[in-house]
Amino acid sequence: SQTIHQWPATLVQPVGSPLSLECTVEGTSNPNLYWYRQAAGRGLQLLFYSVGIGQISSEVPQNLSASRPQDRQFILSSKKLLLSDSGFYLCAWSVRQVSQETQYFGPGTRLLVL
Amino acid sequence: EDQVTQSPEALRLQEGESSSLNCSYTVSGLRGLFWYRQDPGKGPEFLFTLYSAGEEKEKERLKATLTKKESFLHITAPKPEDSATYLCAGYTGRRALTFGSGTRLQVQP
Repeated sequence: SQTIHQWPATLVQPVGSPLSLECTVEGTSNPNLYWYRQAAGRGLQLLFYSVGIGQISSEVPQNLSASRPQDRQFILSSKKLLLSDSGFYLCAWSVRQVSQETQYFGPGTRLLVL
Repeated sequence: EDQVTQSPEALRLQEGESSSLNCSYTVSGLRGLFWYRQDPGKGPEFLFTLYSAGEEKEKERLKATLTKKESFLHITAPKPEDSATYLCAGYTGRRALTFGSGTRLQVQP
């Protein structure tokens, strides 16, 4: 069965510090990968998605970047965090087939920028 | 602009009191409607995918239905463990799922 991991689970960072969140998927090959952010009481906002190694699409302009160095690894980064980057970050994967777009989510990383 | 609206924002039920959650969408070219359950501090857990109007899917005490303009999540005789936030999302064939802001359900014993 497929499993998706995210770490760290919780992170408290000062404004201006760098960020690296990691997501890995097990039990599947060539997945589509996604990064979402969820603000309190609001829906999920797609930040980045990737259909393959080195292929990243950005959905919103922001202070963040994403990379996919390996097939089942997705990394969310920032060089300098802003207060507004605080939130719950979720990684998700889906099978790379047009008719199978169900997305499965990881456990999330709670980020607090102070 | 694609939009998904969920109502009510919050719902409090007594154990055994059945009810429905609503998800209305204005998503052009909808190809799928998804329901997720999210517990506090955790990632969303997939429940159902509905593809066409008239389709229904069931899982334990939950049943999801889809019309041309909205979807309902019916909860029959809920238990306290059904307490969670329920999210719906529309999919158009582009990469992003358009999520609603969710319904927070609390089931009291």
